[in-house]
Amino acid sequence: QQQVKQSPQSLIVQKGGISIINCAYENTAFDYFPWYQQFPGKGPALLIAIRPDVSEKKEGRFTISFNKSAKQFSLHIMDSQPGDSATYFCAASTNAGKSTFGDGTTLTVKP
Amino acid sequence: GAVVSQHPSRVICKSGTSVKIECRSLDFQATTMFWYRQFPKQSLMLMATSNEGSKATYEQGVEKDKFLINHASLTLSTLTVTSAHPEDSSFYICSAFTGQGTDTQYFGPGTRLTVL
Repeated sequence: QQQVKQSPQSLIVQKGGISIINCAYENTAFDYFPWYQQFPGKGPALLIAIRPDVSEKKEGRFTISFNKSAKQFSLHIMDSQPGDSATYFCAASTNAGKSTFGDGTTLTVKP
Repeated sequence: GAVVSQHPSRVICKSGTSVKIECRSLDFQATTMFWYRQFPKQSLMLMATSNEGSKATYEQGVEKDKFLINHASLTLSTLTVTSAHPEDSSFYICSAFTGQGTDTQYFGPGTRLTVL
């Protein structure tokens, strides 16, 4: 049973456009929702994270929107740049730190 | 920010040999370290949770006698792939978790294992 579902699998966006990646979770015990960025051959890097008591969090061009009742959260990348081309993973965890990851979204930003 | 290192970054070995991968938290103490495996174009699969001074907790389907984990100190965890076979070839990634008022995991750069 997959506990975190991520979509789309791949995404192509023009430079300057908005990239949107969605995730849905099932376990209501999750209380921490991070997004990671991973470049080929590298480990994931934390991009931004949110807790369920907040509906939105913005850091620079990156925004997380969180809908607790729908058990969904999404990542918005504003003014997408070619350097943003990477694989993005959403995750969900409890305070024990153990995370469940989505399947990943490969983002390509075309110049 | 917190830095996690892994060594080696790449290793190629012959079938039947054992390979040790080190994961170190460089500027913080990690109460817990996690070991993941990632196949090409796939997500991270949690293999085990490693707590300093205690036995690792393995996920279902992960052979604990094949993937030996030792968490000897608050800054070092090791994963030993014993009697490696070609199907063990993968990208192994560790993460470190402080567990002190934060849920943030800091990931290492990964180790590419190729078993011939």
